[in-house]
Amino acid sequence: DGGITQSPKYLFRKEGQNVTLSCEQNLNHDAMYWYRQDPGQGLRLIYYSQIVNDFQKGDIAEGYSVSREKKESFPLTVTSAQKNPTAFYLCASSMSSGRTDTQYFGPGTRLTVL
Amino acid sequence: RKEVEQDPGPFNVPEGATVAFNCTYSNSASQSFFWYRQDCRKEPKLLMSVYSSGNEDGRFTAQLNRASQYISLLIRDSKLSDSATYLCVVIARGSTLGRLYFGRGTQLTVWP
Repeated sequence: DGGITQSPKYLFRKEGQNVTLSCEQNLNHDAMYWYRQDPGQGLRLIYYSQIVNDFQKGDIAEGYSVSREKKESFPLTVTSAQKNPTAFYLCASSMSSGRTDTQYFGPGTRLTVL
Repeated sequence: RKEVEQDPGPFNVPEGATVAFNCTYSNSASQSFFWYRQDCRKEPKLLMSVYSSGNEDGRFTAQLNRASQYISLLIRDSKLSDSATYLCVVIARGSTLGRLYFGRGTQLTVWP
């Protein structure tokens, strides 16, 4: 089946640790995105990538890093510099980064910092 | 001012009711509009795009009012399964990137 997968579903981290969230898609989409969702707030863009080996900061990139070595994969690292990392993280992809292209979401990773 | 504003609700309605949500956007150059549905602790899923002429998909009708900069979603004959949070999404013209701006969502609960 074609789709977007994220792992793990739930992740617990101690303060001061870096963690990496996985996002894989087999839709042959060029563009991929990472969002963060906090209770009562809309989704906020962390990073996006329009093509392989290229990525750009979104609205709240501080404390996060990404890589795009393969078209199918766009992992997100939450570093210890991120002051409030507990949130629901959503990865999305679209055919291209065009203005009207629909974005499809993975099931999300719920990160809790202990 | 936020790009997209929604009434967070909650809307609590009985089965069979008709319910309407509105959403306003601040960028007059906004080009594309969508409604997504998000179930509790799940990812958002595209419900429908919103076209200038308005569009309908079964019990769901979406409309766009560019002059007043708002979009609406009407759900007729509500079902229990319609209970979810409905997200208003806007893409602004002028950006080469299809960045989506999300509203906070409107929570709907349909009771039997």
